[in-house]
Amino acid sequence: EPEVTQTPSHQVTQMGQEVILRCVPISNHLYFYWYRQILGQKVEFLVSFYNNEISEKSEIFDDQFSVERPDGSNFTLKIRSTKLEDSAMYFCASSLRTGLLSYGYTFGSGTRLTVV
Amino acid sequence: GENVEQHPSTLSVQEGDSAVIKCTYSDSASNYFPWYKQELGKGPQLIIDIRSNVGEKKDQRIAVTLNKTAKHFSLHITETQPEDSAVYFCAASISLSSNTGKLIFGQGTTLQVKP
Repeated sequence: EPEVTQTPSHQVTQMGQEVILRCVPISNHLYFYWYRQILGQKVEFLVSFYNNEISEKSEIFDDQFSVERPDGSNFTLKIRSTKLEDSAMYFCASSLRTGLLSYGYTFGSGTRLTVV
Repeated sequence: GENVEQHPSTLSVQEGDSAVIKCTYSDSASNYFPWYKQELGKGPQLIIDIRSNVGEKKDQRIAVTLNKTAKHFSLHITETQPEDSAVYFCAASISLSSNTGKLIFGQGTTLQVKP
């Protein structure tokens, strides 16, 4: 069964440093997402990406965050200057269609980001 | 804004009993409702979903019902087994345009099935 692959599985970084989280979505999917989950809390939407541009972003996704799909297979989330409160599990997801036509969203196993 | 409320936060049942988890959503434009199972250290895994043009869907021991008028949907697990123990999340998606489809998640329910 096709999978969404995320690397690394765990990243520890110093406060103020830049981090890049990487994802390889399912190859024929068209919609790409980043979500985050602070320990013990609900999964929160960060950003959606379609047709090589951001289609929607949440209030969490401020100027410190950016996404890129540099080569048609990878989908990256960059945090420019990490803060302690950025510590969370970050999930990448992809889907073929949305809404009534959706066949479901596939999530990766996540990257646990720890900012110290 | 969009919101999904999920209850209960924890649920403990005996093996073989049924488990029911309920969610309500705020935006009547929501049209896609997936349920995810999350095991420790893993990403959410889709277990069943329902679209707004359907009232009920069943897949073996798992069923989901949707009441659009009341804006709530429920997950039903029958004949529970210890391997059903996990955190379950409901979610709702609004797709007014074709290029978004973000999911709004509920708070999660920790299901424990006792042998």
